[in-house]
Amino acid sequence: DTEVTQTPKHLVMGMTNKKSLKCEQHMGHRAMYWYKQKAKKPPELMFVYSYEKLSINESVPSRFSPECPNSSLLNLHLHALQPEDSALYLCASSHRFVAGGFPDTQYFGPGTRLTVL
Amino acid sequence: QKEVEQNSGPLSVPEGAIASLNCTYSDRVSQSFFWYRQYSGKSPELIMSIYSNGDKEDGRFTAQLNKASQYVSLLIRDSQPSDSATYLCAVSYGGATNKLIFGTGTLLAVQP
Repeated sequence: DTEVTQTPKHLVMGMTNKKSLKCEQHMGHRAMYWYKQKAKKPPELMFVYSYEKLSINESVPSRFSPECPNSSLLNLHLHALQPEDSALYLCASSHRFVAGGFPDTQYFGPGTRLTVL
Repeated sequence: QKEVEQNSGPLSVPEGAIASLNCTYSDRVSQSFFWYRQYSGKSPELIMSIYSNGDKEDGRFTAQLNKASQYVSLLIRDSQPSDSATYLCAVSYGGATNKLIFGTGTLLAVQP
């Protein structure tokens, strides 16, 4: 079973709203990722969590705030977003993430389509 | 700047033909190579991973890796209209960040 789930599937929010995206996996993976994907572009890495600790922040604006409450859950808290933040937000997981180590296969969730008005 | 290059396409092939998708990468220390399929509006789905030089076959799919030429390809035999999608090549360089670098993807259109 290589299932990563994400909720909600679609989200429309105003620039003053606060919302959260949720990602869950039950594969025992200890690394989880957030990606952003604009139309006709490849996914861009935002954050990596390894063993519930933030390992990589790709210089993402502070209006995006990740959280990893436990090894199965990953949240992305959104506040004061801009229309240009509208995109498909993808969560992925892998068995592990070890800086300098051998890369593991990443499995993607279905994504959340975010529209910022 | 680590780069992964793909022809954006569209690559159009008739049903039943072999589709050949190509990818080049810039860094010789790359360790892992992945092909993902992405249907319009959907998330990437893993098709193949390959780590060693040579061919790796899985059903109708064959991944080919040539590290000396910094080249990885995906062959799809007996192409079906359901194979029509964008194919993303992803390369992991390991190292301190150990993250995936994606190519821009090749759009494949299989004509019935």
